Amino acid sequence: KNQVEQSPQSLIILEGKNCTLQCNYTVSPFSNLRWYKQDTGRGPVSLTIMTFSENTKSNGRYTATLDADTKQSSLHITASQLSDSASYICVVSAVSGTYKYIFGTGTRLKVLA
Amino acid sequence: SAVISQKPSRDICQRGTSLTIQCQVDSQVTMMFWYRQQPGQSLTLIATANQGSEATYESGFVIDKFPISRPNLTFSTLTVSNMSPEDSSIYLCSVERGRGTDTQYFGPGTRLTVL
Repeated sequence: KNQVEQSPQSLIILEGKNCTLQCNYTVSPFSNLRWYKQDTGRGPVSLTIMTFSENTKSNGRYTATLDADTKQSSLHITASQLSDSASYICVVSAVSGTYKYIFGTGTRLKVLA
Repeated sequence: SAVISQKPSRDICQRGTSLTIQCQVDSQVTMMFWYRQQPGQSLTLIATANQGSEATYESGFVIDKFPISRPNLTFSTLTVSNMSPEDSSIYLCSVERGRGTDTQYFGPGTRLTVL
């Protein structure tokens, strides 16, 4: 069964600190893995997209890693800011005739001053 | 990129009524999707809106309950029919230019409350 699991479910950190969010998946056949940021009351916004051959991809203070062998990904946030408070969703795309997106349940991050 | 607007942004409706949500994109796109996000949950795909033909529904979603129109490459509507409190959710439109490998853009969502 195709599944995407994220941890932790929620996280509270102090402004300026770093944090790492985890995503484990059992999706086959794998096409790509995406990280989205969703602010409260808004639609998700894409942070990174990684294909099978990519190990890491950065978008400003956000760095995503992918280990296709262990089927794990992480999203590292450097020098967190109050505006980083949001839900972060990992989405894995499978392709078998047609594309299918499997969404994780997200990690809710709260950054405190 | 793609800029997506949705109308209404929120609504409170009575049980048994229907609501039509509009999704407008600032440029032509190949793929348009409708998602539901229940409180505290992640997104669930309702259907793919196909231009000029019937939408493709995911398991658990049917056309009678969620009729979808897509008259052109920049516009789509989702109707939530015969609503019940269980339909209270955020409904999001999303688009993608190329299937599966391109960035997926999401609208701001429509927050629906059914009393």
